[in-house]
Amino acid sequence: AQSVTQLGSHVSVSEGALVLLRCNYSSSVPPYLFWYVQYPNQGLQLLLKYTTGATLVKGINGFEAEFKKSETSFHLTKPSAHMSDAAEYFCAVSDLSGGYNKLIFGAGTRLAVHP
Amino acid sequence: DGGITQSPKYLFRKEGQNVTLSCEQNLNHDAMYWYRQDPGQGLRLIYYSQIVNDFQKGDIAEGYSVSREKKESFPLTVTSAQKNPTAFYLCASNRGGTDTQYFGPGTRLTVL
Repeated sequence: AQSVTQLGSHVSVSEGALVLLRCNYSSSVPPYLFWYVQYPNQGLQLLLKYTTGATLVKGINGFEAEFKKSETSFHLTKPSAHMSDAAEYFCAVSDLSGGYNKLIFGAGTRLAVHP
Repeated sequence: DGGITQSPKYLFRKEGQNVTLSCEQNLNHDAMYWYRQDPGQGLRLIYYSQIVNDFQKGDIAEGYSVSREKKESFPLTVTSAQKNPTAFYLCASNRGGTDTQYFGPGTRLTVL
């Protein structure tokens, strides 16, 4: 069965510093992978997704993620953090084993950005 | 504007009462989903529906019920059988298959 592990429930960075949020997945088939962002008391917004093809995926707000099959990883990065990036981030993998698209989510990483 | 609406945003109920959460979409999506979010646990699937008049249980369906009488609407009822209903509930939709799921703003349910 598919699963997702996000390393670090809380990450704190300085404004302007590199953001690195880690995600490892387990999947028996080529995965579809997603990163979503959630601001307080709001729904989830898609940042980026990997389906097939290029392993470096660019998303909104300057974020990108690289699919590394050998490491079963899909880490999210942003070169320079902004105060507005403070939010909770969720990595997810598609599980199609039940005949429908079920998203399996990681537990989330809360990103804090300080001046 | 196309999107997903959930109402109400905040909901308070007494223990033992059933409560229905609304989810409406005007994206013409065939598939709709209900997730529950608890702190530190990510999102877990409650129910999903791939077409009108059909729905399936997800991972944590006990104590919940749904209906899908219209393509645009997928209401979730939290029954008194749900042991710990206080949570943030998120509705999502997509065209089906591996299409991206889009989320509504959520309803925070507090059972007193």
